[in-house]
Amino acid sequence: AQTVTQSQPEMSVQEAETVTLSCTYDTSESDYYLFWYKQPPSRQMILVIRQEAYKQQNATENRFSVNFQKAAKSFSLKISDSQLGDAAMYFCAYRSAPGNTPLVFGKGTRLSVIA
Amino acid sequence: DTAVSQTPKYLVTQMGNDKSIKCEQNLGHDTMYWYKQDSKKFLKIMFSYNNKELIINETVPNRFSPKSPDKAHLNLHINSLELGDSAVYFCASSQLAGVTDTQYFGPGTRLTVL
Repeated sequence: AQTVTQSQPEMSVQEAETVTLSCTYDTSESDYYLFWYKQPPSRQMILVIRQEAYKQQNATENRFSVNFQKAAKSFSLKISDSQLGDAAMYFCAYRSAPGNTPLVFGKGTRLSVIA
Repeated sequence: DTAVSQTPKYLVTQMGNDKSIKCEQNLGHDTMYWYKQDSKKFLKIMFSYNNKELIINETVPNRFSPKSPDKAHLNLHINSLELGDSAVYFCASSQLAGVTDTQYFGPGTRLTVL
């Protein structure tokens, strides 16, 4: 079975600075997808970024980017120019192909942004 | 124009009661899911349905019974509620085939069993 590990239960960052959240996963599959979801206090699960395992290029969405290291089974999230609204729980998630398989989540990292 | 909606958002009830949570998606997706988020924020799959057919049923007590009347709806009925059922329950949906197979989540239902 696949597992996802987020080794940082809590992180903090100064406003406008950069922070990196770590995620590692364990799988024997070669085709899969990785995601970062954000959960603010409103508890809504919001997709931040996704990465297809077959793509070598790291995904980027505005201030959010990932460092995907397939051989190391590592998928970290970098948030640049941190904003107060980035404060939330961040969950790393794994999904096997095909597309109707459920997500396997890490335990989350709580990110605080300091003004 | 809410994509995935759940009702109710909050549910407070006594032990032993039976309750239902409803989920609807207007994205035209063919797969729907129920996830449970416990008090430590850990999210875990409970069930998934594809075109109204149950395809995943994780180790969940049989007091939990999902029902999918059509592709756009997946309801969760819970019998004989226990204190340990207190959690946030999320519905999600995705499309099996196609470019976008990302799962979109509803706002969650916080269930409190007293």
